[in-house]
Amino acid sequence: KNEVEQSPQNLTAQEGEFITINCSYSVGISALHWLQQHPGGGIVSLFMLSSGKKKHGRLIATINIQEKHSSLHITASHPRDSAVYICAVYGYGNQFYFGTGTSLTVIP
Amino acid sequence: KAGVTQTPRYLIKTRGQQVTLSCSPISGHRSVSWYQQTPGQGLQFLFEYFSETQRNKGNFPGRFSGRQFSNSRSEMNVSTLELGDSALYLCASSTAGTGGWEQYFGPGTRLTVT
Repeated sequence: KNEVEQSPQNLTAQEGEFITINCSYSVGISALHWLQQHPGGGIVSLFMLSSGKKKHGRLIATINIQEKHSSLHITASHPRDSAVYICAVYGYGNQFYFGTGTSLTVIP
Repeated sequence: KAGVTQTPRYLIKTRGQQVTLSCSPISGHRSVSWYQQTPGQGLQFLFEYFSETQRNKGNFPGRFSGRQFSNSRSEMNVSTLELGDSALYLCASSTAGTGGWEQYFGPGTRLTVT
């Protein structure tokens, strides 16, 4: 049983498209994180959310605590956005639970 | 500010051996967490140290252990290595603790067990 489910698993988009990645979780949480991992392994934290919505440049993250759901949006996608995006929640048992990731490829 | 550093970056060990990985957090960060990433299981939480004390632990066998020093540097040790321990081991530091604080990840140590 996965505490965190992401969809889609793989996503291919044309440059400029609007992209949405979804994350659903089943445990009580105190925070949700969106992470970006490029080939080679390095992970960057994009957002940490406990409620509402956050925006950094072309990236927007939202969370609905009642529905246990979060979305990551990328507006005007660019080939440099190609990466794996991972949803992680911190909650039950004071642990992190990770989604399996969404592999995004943006084609010029 | 320098980022999180991990050493070594790559390591090849033989089944049955033990290994020690090192993580130096960002200056001023007191929390260090360790994660294992494999193609089959994805990212999994190993443990978190804060002010030299293990604060949280994931579901890993006792062969996996760690410690944190007074300068916040952390080491993790895996004893009696198994083939399934081959993975990318990542550490992350934050100012206070896991969960509600932004995590800054190191580049990882890629461990191969043969």
